[in-house]
Amino acid sequence: QKEVEQDPGPLSVPEGAIVSLNCTYSNSAFQYFMWYRQYSRKGPELLMYTYSSGNKEDGRFTAQVDKSSKYISLFIRDSQPSDSATYLCAMRNAGNMLTFGGGTRLMVKP
Amino acid sequence: DAGVIQSPRHEVTEMGQEVTLRCKPISGHDYLFWYRQTMMRGLELLIYFNNNVPIDDSGMPEDRFSAKMPNASFSTLKIQPSEPRDSAVYFCASTSQKGGGSGANVLTFGAGSRLTVL
Repeated sequence: QKEVEQDPGPLSVPEGAIVSLNCTYSNSAFQYFMWYRQYSRKGPELLMYTYSSGNKEDGRFTAQVDKSSKYISLFIRDSQPSDSATYLCAMRNAGNMLTFGGGTRLMVKP
Repeated sequence: DAGVIQSPRHEVTEMGQEVTLRCKPISGHDYLFWYRQTMMRGLELLIYFNNNVPIDDSGMPEDRFSAKMPNASFSTLKIQPSEPRDSAVYFCASTSQKGGGSGANVLTFGAGSRLTVL
C-alpha cells in the first residue's frame, strides 16, 4: 500500500462547478501538506501548503487537513477551464523529503 | 529568474546507451532534488542534495543511476547503461531553506526531461 493515495480520475466537471480533490495517507508523522498543480508537459507548481490540521483559503482554493482521519482535501470554487490540470497532493514530516500522491486529472469543460 | 532549467527536454536513445540529464537550479537555492515521473508509479524522489552534497540517494533505483552536483549551479543525472524501463519524465527541483523550515514545501520544478529508451 502506498503512503499517499489519490484517485487518478479523470474528474470531469462543468465550468463554474465546485471541485473536491482528496488524498488519504498512512504516515501519522506527516506535518506539512501541500497541493501542486501540473499542466500537461510541465513541471508541478505549488498551489498551497498547510501545517497540521485546519483550513487555509487562497482565492478560489481552499485546503483542508484532517489529521485524525489522515485525509486532506482541496476545494476549487467557480472552476474555470484554465483549472484543467493534474493536481498532486504532497506531504512531509520534519525532514526535507516530500511524498507525492499519484495525482488526479481534472477537466473543466466550458 | 529563468527558473529551474533542464536539458535536454526530450531524449530518445537505444537500450545500452549512456544518458546524461542536466539541471541548473535557481540561483541561491541550497537544495536540489531529482524526481522521476511515470504513469504507473507517479512522482518518485531519486536523490537530493544540500549545498552540493548528496543527502539521501535511497530512491536511486540501482547502480546504473548516478547523480552529481559539482557546484551550486549545476547537477547531472546519469544512466549507464539505459534500459527501456527507465523511460519516464525526469524532473529537477530546487528550493531554499534559508530563513525558515517551510522552504522544503515550496519546490520549484523544471519543465522535465522526457526520456524514451528503445
